[in-house]
Amino acid sequence: NAGVTQTPKFQVLKTGQSMTLQCAQDMNHEYMSWYRQDPGMGLRLIHYSVGAGITDQGEVPNGYNVSRSTTEDFPLRLLSAAPSQTSVYFCASSKLAGGSEQYFGPGTRLTVT
Amino acid sequence: AQTVTQSQPEMSVQEAETVTLSCTYDTSENNYYLFWYKQPPSRQMILVIRQEAYKQQNATENRFSVNFQKAAKSFSLKISDSQLGDTAMYFCAFIPFNTGNQFYFGTGTSLTVIP
Repeated sequence: NAGVTQTPKFQVLKTGQSMTLQCAQDMNHEYMSWYRQDPGMGLRLIHYSVGAGITDQGEVPNGYNVSRSTTEDFPLRLLSAAPSQTSVYFCASSKLAGGSEQYFGPGTRLTVT
Repeated sequence: AQTVTQSQPEMSVQEAETVTLSCTYDTSENNYYLFWYKQPPSRQMILVIRQEAYKQQNATENRFSVNFQKAAKSFSLKISDSQLGDTAMYFCAFIPFNTGNQFYFGTGTSLTVIP
């Protein structure tokens, strides 16, 4: 059981470039989500999904796209990177039952110059 | 709106001593869950303890225990016999029971255990 995996671990982008952060889980969890972590701001929800084919916006969705074609994968796309998107990104998954623990990936540190 | 507040950005404690991290939250929900997550320097988020709001008994996990005061909307974490490996960022989180799986996180408390 690998749990939640994320790639890459580190990434440097130039302003305007696009890229996809990958996230996969092997626990058959219905719920998957993306957070960004910034100093002094905790974790803020970007997008989430309650199942394949279903996605919704979180607190800070602007500049990001997601899709959920399979239960296992939930990629996050940065359309045109901006310095304000410099952050650490975490993917998480859980069962859909209320109160289920969220399992987190190891995070991706993204720097946009 | 659901909010989680951690009013102590940084704390320190001597090894083997006890420390309490505070967390308050605001919600109109009656049924929900509360969590404490630990994030060591490795960056990996690790669940420390979980509390169901409908349970009056405070949750405990080895050296970690909570003081859950539902009326006051308070959920503090007590770490007993602090160890160097407890040095980490600690996040309080809240999730309503019936309105989806969206977690609400506090801004975190950075705890340093001093040898």
